[in-house]
Amino acid sequence: EAGVTQFPSHSVIEKGQTVTLRCDPISGHDNLYWYRRVMGKEIKFLLHFVKESKQDESGMPNNRFLAERTGGTYSTLKVQPAELEDSGVYFCASSQDLNFQGRNFRETQYFGPGTRLLVL
Amino acid sequence: AQSVTQLGSHVSVSEGALVLLRCNYSSSVPPYLFWYVQYPNQGLQLLLKYTTGATLVKGINGFEAEFKKSETSFHLTKPSAHMSDAAEYFCAVSPMLSSGGYQKVTFGTGTKLQVIP
Repeated sequence: EAGVTQFPSHSVIEKGQTVTLRCDPISGHDNLYWYRRVMGKEIKFLLHFVKESKQDESGMPNNRFLAERTGGTYSTLKVQPAELEDSGVYFCASSQDLNFQGRNFRETQYFGPGTRLLVL
Repeated sequence: AQSVTQLGSHVSVSEGALVLLRCNYSSSVPPYLFWYVQYPNQGLQLLLKYTTGATLVKGINGFEAEFKKSETSFHLTKPSAHMSDAAEYFCAVSPMLSSGGYQKVTFGTGTKLQVIP
C-alpha cells in the first residue's frame, strides 16, 4: 500500500512568489493534517481536514496560507506571497477513522516525506 | 494544552552502547505518546506509541520506551546502538479524544542521534 506522498520534494522560490504544495494521503484516510518545521524548531501543527472540511485550522500562521482539499482526496497548501520566514519543511499526515462497537476511533497519523521550502 | 520537552538537541553514543533519549511531556488530559524518527532525506516514521495499558512499549528496530505518569516522562531507549540508528528522533504527544483516538500531535524539538564507530 502506498504511503503518504508529497510533491514537490524541494522548492526554492523568491520572496513574494507563490508556491503550492501537494499532499496525497493514504487511500481511504479521511483525516489529513499539515505540519511545518521551521529551521531548527519543533514540528508544528497547521491544520486538519476531515474529508473536504477543515476541522481545525488553529495552527495556520496567517492569511497568506491557504489549504484546500477538494473532493476529500488530495490536499494543496498554497503560500502567497511567500516570505523568508516561511522557509522550512512542510509535512503532511493522514489517518483513518475506525468504527468499533459504535464508537468512532481516530487512528495513528502516518507522515509523508515532507516538502523542503526555501524562500530567498 | 500539551507540550513536549526533549533534553539534548544532540546526543552522541558509541556503536554498541546504550541509547537513551529523554522526553518529558505536559498534558491536561490523558495523553497518547509517540516517538517518531526521521532518517536523512526521509519522512517521519513512527517508532512506537503508548496509548493505554502496558507502560513499557516496544517499537521497531529494537527501541522501547516507558511511560512514567508520576514523572511525566516517556524516555526512549535501545540497549545497543547501531550505525543505522543515526537519525533525528521526535517525541510527541496527542490528547486522547473523548470519542477515542488522536487529535493533532504536538512535537518536541527533536534530538539528533550520532553513533560513533
